Amino acid sequence: AQKITQTQPGMFVQEKEAVTLDCTYDTSDPSYGLFWYKQPSSGEMIFLIYQGSYDQQNATEGRYSLNFQKARKSANLVISASQLGDSAMYFCAMREATGGFKTIFGAGTRLFVKA
Amino acid sequence: KAGVTQTPRYLIKTRGQQVTLSCSPISGHRSVSWYQQTPGQGLQFLFEYFSETQRNKGNFPGRFSGRQFSNSRSEMNVSTLELGDSALYLCASSLRGAGNTGELFFGEGSRLTVL
Repeated sequence: AQKITQTQPGMFVQEKEAVTLDCTYDTSDPSYGLFWYKQPSSGEMIFLIYQGSYDQQNATEGRYSLNFQKARKSANLVISASQLGDSAMYFCAMREATGGFKTIFGAGTRLFVKA
Repeated sequence: KAGVTQTPRYLIKTRGQQVTLSCSPISGHRSVSWYQQTPGQGLQFLFEYFSETQRNKGNFPGRFSGRQFSNSRSEMNVSTLELGDSALYLCASSLRGAGNTGELFFGEGSRLTVL
């Protein structure tokens, strides 16, 4: 069964520094997609970045990059040059190819950026 | 391009009542998913509809139901409300098909309080 684990309930980072949010997953499907979403205090979920299981290179989107280690089943999000506006809840998510469009989410990590 | 629209945004019900929530997806998106978000359980998958058919269902009791119309708009219904149904209900739409990552586009949610 598919499962997403985020072991960091909360993280602090100094403004302008980089931070890594951890995510591990479990699946028996060889084809899957991994996602990261951001949820600010306003509540709306925002898609950040995607990594496909067959992608050879780690995904990057601006200040976001995904450190994909397939053998370890980890998909950590790296935010470079943190900004105050990055303070939010971050969710790792996965969708299996055989699961249709059922996307499951981890418990989330709350990131606090300090000035 | 209009985003995902959920109505109502806030509602208060009493135990035993029923509630219907509405979701209008992004134009052209035929997949609609529903999630329940609570502080204790995080984001839990309810169900996903595609072309008026329920493709996936989460582990929720039969009191939770949904449907999708021919214009891709979706509704979810919760009957015989319980206190534990108090939550933020998020709707998300997505594109299906080759070349799409299938990321979810979320609405702002409907916050249900059951008294």
